[in-house]
Amino acid sequence: GENVEQHPSTLSVQEGDSAVIKCTYSDSASNYFPWYKQELGKGPQLIIDIRSNVGEKKDQRIAVTLNKTAKHFSLHITETQPEDSAVYFCATDNTGFQKLVFGTGTRLLVSP
Amino acid sequence: DSGVTQTPKHLITATGQRVTLRCSPRSGDLSVYWYQQSLDQGLQFLIQYYNGEERAKGNILERFSAQQFPDLHSELNLSSLELGDSALYFCASSTLLAGGRNEQFFGPGTRLTVL
Repeated sequence: GENVEQHPSTLSVQEGDSAVIKCTYSDSASNYFPWYKQELGKGPQLIIDIRSNVGEKKDQRIAVTLNKTAKHFSLHITETQPEDSAVYFCATDNTGFQKLVFGTGTRLLVSP
Repeated sequence: DSGVTQTPKHLITATGQRVTLRCSPRSGDLSVYWYQQSLDQGLQFLIQYYNGEERAKGNILERFSAQQFPDLHSELNLSSLELGDSALYFCASSTLLAGGRNEQFFGPGTRLTVL
């Protein structure tokens, strides 16, 4: 089955810095790559996603890049703010109907 | 607020017992997913229903079962509970239409504690 590795497990940055979280996956059939943000006491919330026919997608301060050949994708957050502090999960879907396999999560701490 | 509701918010029970977790999807969403989130296993897909029918299965134990009712709400039944079943259980829903974005919206979760 699909295996998703996520690094780093924790990331501390200063407000205004950039943050990058990387994930690698094993199944070349995976074609959908969402990123979720989970705040304390809440369920995960989709923040950005990308499909395998696109190499990069940007939404304001957030961007995701995908390298299908190397089977890895990354989340980039620029100009980080304290409210970006949360746990971020990458995920993949190799079924086409949203059976997601999640990474282990990255705890991001943005200090003022 | 995602529009997905889950009850109860917290559940404390003893080993060997059986509990039922309930989920109401967003209005219009036909697909419901159940996930387990624990410290050692992370966020794991359990099972998916689409319009009342089981669509996909993940790492769901035989002691666990689920169903989706005609009104599209779903229940996750956990029986013969063990200490290791203590976790957060999330329900998510999506429209799952062909060609659609099919984003999964997660509920706030049910925290299960088995003593």
